[in-house]
Amino acid sequence: EAAVTQSPRNKVTVTGGNVTLSCRQTNSHNYMYWYRQDTGHGLRLIHYSYGAGNLQIGDVPDGYKATRTTQEDFFLLLELASPSQTSLYFCASSGAEQFFGPGTRLTVL
Amino acid sequence: KTQVEQSPQSLVVRQGENCVLQCNYSVTPDNHLRWFKQDTGKGLVSLTVLVDQKDKTSNGRYSATLDKDAKHSTLHITATLLDDTATYICVVGDRGSALGRLHFGAGTQLIVIP
Repeated sequence: EAAVTQSPRNKVTVTGGNVTLSCRQTNSHNYMYWYRQDTGHGLRLIHYSYGAGNLQIGDVPDGYKATRTTQEDFFLLLELASPSQTSLYFCASSGAEQFFGPGTRLTVL
Repeated sequence: KTQVEQSPQSLVVRQGENCVLQCNYSVTPDNHLRWFKQDTGKGLVSLTVLVDQKDKTSNGRYSATLDKDAKHSTLHITATLLDDTATYICVVGDRGSALGRLHFGAGTQLIVIP
């Protein structure tokens, strides 16, 4: 069955901290995405990739880096975390349909 | 500017009642529209996808309509159960492939009470 997994599921860090969110997909999809979800907003696209080594900028990229190391693995990097980045983060992979991971709740104190 | 608007923002119904959720959008082109269910703090699970100019789908107690001329969709939930408590998210895709972008509504929070 198609699967997208994320780790960690919950993370607490302090302002200025360094955080890496991990995503792995076993769908053999080329496209992978990172979104953030905040109350009152729909999911917003941070970065996406269409293959290993590729990175595309989404709609809300400021403060985030990403890296796609393999077809399966996509990482979201917050090098100087700020409280405004407290959010629920979703990874997804896509063929004709997007499949979403379970989410990572990040709290920046 | 928000391109996908959902209403109501929240809704409380009693178990066994029916409910209707609305989605209006301005996304162009509008290749397809998908409804997701999101349990609190969890991922998005697809309920149904609508593709045609005027489309209807049914998936158990969930049924949905799409009118691309009006850029409007509805999700009907029949005989609600407590497990239907969740946020329902309307998503419009501007292409039928991974090349397209998805445009997300903020969701309708449905609470089903005994």
